[in-house]
Amino acid sequence: AQSVTQPDIHITVSEGASLELRCNYSYGATPYLFWYVQSPGQGLQLLLKYFSGDTLVQGIKGFEAEFKRSQSSFNLRKPSVHWSDAAEYFCAVDSNTGFQKLVFGTGTRLLVSP
Amino acid sequence: DAMVIQNPRYQVTQFGKPVTLSCSQTLNHNVMYWYQQKSSQAPKLLFHYYDKDFNNEADTPDNFQSRRPNTSFCFLDIRSPGLGDAAMYLCATSRAGGGAEQYFGPGTRLTVT
Repeated sequence: AQSVTQPDIHITVSEGASLELRCNYSYGATPYLFWYVQSPGQGLQLLLKYFSGDTLVQGIKGFEAEFKRSQSSFNLRKPSVHWSDAAEYFCAVDSNTGFQKLVFGTGTRLLVSP
Repeated sequence: DAMVIQNPRYQVTQFGKPVTLSCSQTLNHNVMYWYQQKSSQAPKLLFHYYDKDFNNEADTPDNFQSRRPNTSFCFLDIRSPGLGDAAMYLCATSRAGGGAEQYFGPGTRLTVT
């Protein structure tokens, strides 16, 4: 069965510094991969997704992610973090069963320090 | 703007008292999902509708039911809420097909007293 691992529960980054959130997946075929962001008390918003093709994917809010098949990873990056980026970030894989059944990682909470 | 709407945003119910959460969408998507998200955890899929076809996850308790009277609306019924059912309940929609983006509503925070 497919699974997603986000090894970092919390990450603190200074405002203006770069960010990388880690995500590893387990899936037998080429997966569909997603990053979602959730602000406190809110629903999830899609940041970006990878289906195929170019392994570097650009998303909203200045985020990007790189798919590395050899490492089974899909890490999220941002060159300069803003205080408004403080939120919970979820990596997810689509099991590709004909409808989109997402399996989420446990999330990484990003704290931004002044 | 097309969107996913959940009502109410906050719901308080008593232990054992049935409660219904509502979700509506203006996206005309075939698929509607209900997730349960407990504090500091990932969303967990309870079930989904593909048009009128209901698909229950194997580990979803019988206490949770759902109705989809038309394309736009979907309801989550909790027949006898327990303290362990306190959570955020998220509704999402998508087109059919693998890889289609899911659009999430803002969620309903359920408190059980």
